[in-house]
Amino acid sequence: KAGVTQTPRYLIKTRGQQVTLSCSPISGHRSVSWYQQTPGQGLQFLFEYFSETQRNKGNFPGRFSGRQFSNSRSEMNVSTLELGDSALYLCASSRGGETEAFFGQGTRLTVV
Amino acid sequence: DQQVKQNSPSLSVQEGRISILNCDYTNSMFDYFLWYKKYPAEGPTFLISISSIKDKNEDGRFTVFLNKSAKHLSLHIVPSQPGDSAVYFCAASMRFGAGTRLTVKP
Repeated sequence: KAGVTQTPRYLIKTRGQQVTLSCSPISGHRSVSWYQQTPGQGLQFLFEYFSETQRNKGNFPGRFSGRQFSNSRSEMNVSTLELGDSALYLCASSRGGETEAFFGQGTRLTVV
Repeated sequence: DQQVKQNSPSLSVQEGRISILNCDYTNSMFDYFLWYKKYPAEGPTFLISISSIKDKNEDGRFTVFLNKSAKHLSLHIVPSQPGDSAVYFCAASMRFGAGTRLTVKP
């Protein structure tokens, strides 16, 4: 079956702009979580959505938001971009609960 | 929010020897732990997991040990192979450690 798909793969934005990233989970998976990966910081948890509801949230400012649609696809939005937002953004899907997550290849965001 | 910590950013071992990757956690409510492996330009992939009702789980060359009283777990790879060279992440309740880069030298 198809894996987790993230679009776009690469993105260059200017400071102050906003960006929307998309994630299509594995069919049947209702949980989608988002992570920011920067060198030396590992995977920083942003938030998790389950059945269209945000179920868990990490310690990121309100500029980072997300949503999930009825087909479990999820989007993440970052407003008023800062240089420090440059990172690899990873999406993971799972059945929910304490089960393994399947990751997409990520979206590489560069803010200039 | 450093609830899961991997204090060794890198580890280098010789092919055929044992690799031991360590992970500590602070939240005693965590009851399920996972290890993921990540190659460059790819997302992490699941490797092995352990429930808090166990203290050991084995899958081929990979064994994870859990010490609940110390809030510590470790991943053992025996024997290590060059193809094991990757970044390994420990995770619990969607929180990930910073990762340990393992290099296995031929």
